[in-house]
Amino acid sequence: EAQVTQNPRYLITVTGKKLTVTCSQNMNHEYMSWYRQDPGLGLRQIYYSMNVEVTDKGDVPEGYKVSRKEKRNFPLILESPSPNQTSLYFCASRTGTGKGEQYFGPGTRLTVT
Amino acid sequence: GNSVTQMEGPVTLSEEAFLTINCTYTATGYPSLFWYVQYPGEGLQLLLKATKADDKGSNKGFEATYRKETTSFHLEKGSVQVSDSAVYFCALRNNNAGNMLTFGGGTRLMVKP
Repeated sequence: EAQVTQNPRYLITVTGKKLTVTCSQNMNHEYMSWYRQDPGLGLRQIYYSMNVEVTDKGDVPEGYKVSRKEKRNFPLILESPSPNQTSLYFCASRTGTGKGEQYFGPGTRLTVT
Repeated sequence: GNSVTQMEGPVTLSEEAFLTINCTYTATGYPSLFWYVQYPGEGLQLLLKATKADDKGSNKGFEATYRKETTSFHLEKGSVQVSDSAVYFCALRNNNAGNMLTFGGGTRLMVKP
């Protein structure tokens, strides 16, 4: 089954404690991205990756890092989380042509206290 | 830049009522337009799309027509069901912006039996 998986699905942490949210896709997609969803703001892109070792900032990259060492994985790293990063996070992937459907993971709800 | 504006929710309807969720956009060039649906606890799923002016996207009884003259892509359904209760996102993808998706704020639909 074609899918995007994320772990963990729920996470409660404290300010300043580094965390990583993993994302993996099994569709051999070149393009992967991370979004955060906040009430009334829709989804805003954090980072994206056009292919292995190629990453770039989205609309709201501050406080986040990503890496793309393998085609299937695209982890999101919060080096020093803060309460304003409390949000619902989605990973997504699609083919690199730009014309294919974007597939979303199930979401990770992060709370930073 | 690109932006998407959709009506604020929640929208509450009785079963079998007619649904309209308004969406307007601002973009340069010729974007593709999308409606995504998010059921409770899940990620976003593509509902329908239109890639050029006057195209009509349709799926599961939902329809939306790409209106370039009014820069709109309103979502409609003739008879909603309880199972349609979800959050609906309008989005655009612009080739001029690296094929990134820009989302509206989302509209929650609640259908009562």
